[in-house]
Amino acid sequence: AQKITQTQPGMFVQEKEAVTLDCTYDTSDPSYGLFWYKQPSSGEMIFLIYQGSYDQQNATEGRYSLNFQKARKSANLVISASQLGDSAMYFCAMREGANSGGYQKVTFGIGTKLQVIP
Amino acid sequence: GAVVSQHPSRVICKSGTSVKIECRSLDFQATTMFWYRQFPKQSLMLMATSNEGSKATYEQGVEKDKFLINHASLTLSTLTVTSAHPEDSSFYICSAAKTGSGNQPQHFGDGTRLSIL
Repeated sequence: AQKITQTQPGMFVQEKEAVTLDCTYDTSDPSYGLFWYKQPSSGEMIFLIYQGSYDQQNATEGRYSLNFQKARKSANLVISASQLGDSAMYFCAMREGANSGGYQKVTFGIGTKLQVIP
Repeated sequence: GAVVSQHPSRVICKSGTSVKIECRSLDFQATTMFWYRQFPKQSLMLMATSNEGSKATYEQGVEKDKFLINHASLTLSTLTVTSAHPEDSSFYICSAAKTGSGNQPQHFGDGTRLSIL
């Protein structure tokens, strides 16, 4: 079974509008961490935001916020006030056993390509 | 600024050549580093977990003798693609995590585009 599911292969958003990128995950581990990364066409992976499974509040980082719905096992990324520079691939990722002390490997979704339209 | 440096950024070489890619953590110690491979328009596929001072842990289906990993220090891991062939052409990217950082993100290098002719 897929651990991370991103069902939107491509998304369009008008500049200055908000957009939500979907991500659902599957784990039986009570301790896990969820990440979103941005990958522009140049290839580098840019960390955007993190949500821990025990965090009580949704994570926010500037224009990025994570809509964490634990019971539904979803961790959608919301980008507000989209900019042309937001056009990129976006990957949702999960690390299980986030608080185990060791560093567990991260599983990535297949990504969503976001295009911001002027 | 970048916290993980990956070098070289691009390699073009003939079939049969061995290629070494370096991944350095610049301002932190990384007990663990990860090597990924990414085909065009696809996600990152974990190849192996590089552990300082011990053997790397390879994912299923990844040839250990083909992709040699050495993690000789807390700031450097290398991936050597031995006797590379055109099917090894891909985007390789490494990441590193700060030691003991349970809830911290991996920091990625900028990747290496490998093209085997």
